[in-house]
Amino acid sequence: KAGVTQTPRYLIKTRGQQVTLSCSPISGHRSVSWYQQTPGQGLQFLFEYFSETQRNKGNFPGRFSGRQFSNSRSEMNVSTLELGDSALYLCASSSWISNTGELFFGEGSRLTVL
Amino acid sequence: AQRVTQPEKLLSVFKGAPVELKCNYSYSGSPELFWYVQYSRQRLQLLLRHISRESIKGFTADLNKGETSFHLKKPFAQEEDSAMYYCALTNSGGYNKLIFGAGTRLAVHP
Repeated sequence: KAGVTQTPRYLIKTRGQQVTLSCSPISGHRSVSWYQQTPGQGLQFLFEYFSETQRNKGNFPGRFSGRQFSNSRSEMNVSTLELGDSALYLCASSSWISNTGELFFGEGSRLTVL
Repeated sequence: AQRVTQPEKLLSVFKGAPVELKCNYSYSGSPELFWYVQYSRQRLQLLLRHISRESIKGFTADLNKGETSFHLKKPFAQEEDSAMYYCALTNSGGYNKLIFGAGTRLAVHP
């Protein structure tokens, strides 16, 4: 079956703009989580959604937000972009209701903020 | 604070040599530990988890609660093992919130 799909794969924005990233989970997966990957901070958890509800949130400012739709697709939004938001944003889906740690990752959306 | 430490950024070995990728963690409670791997031009994927006590591609990892470690081992490295390896933890109620280490790049030379 198709893997986790993220769009767009690459994008360039300027400071102050906002961006929306999209993630389509594996069919049947109801949990979607987002991670930010940077050379300096590594992989950091942003938030997780299950059945359209945010279940957990990482330590990121309120400029980072997300949502999940009834078909389990998810979007994350970053407003008022800063240079430090340049990163690879990874989406991961999981089929389990409770935590098992087995996440299926997408290829990521690489955001460059100029 | 919850933290995963992978002390080596790069581990370079020759084919057939034993491999040990180190992972130490700090966590109050009973964590669940995992190893994820990313091969060149591939997605990040689960390699193994401690609760399964399984060997995947010849790799094993034992959770040592006394030393708070979860080192990944393989007795004989293969060139195809070259990849980026991430140790990660979560708690039983973590709802798929993983805390990752910085990762170790394993390079296996012929």
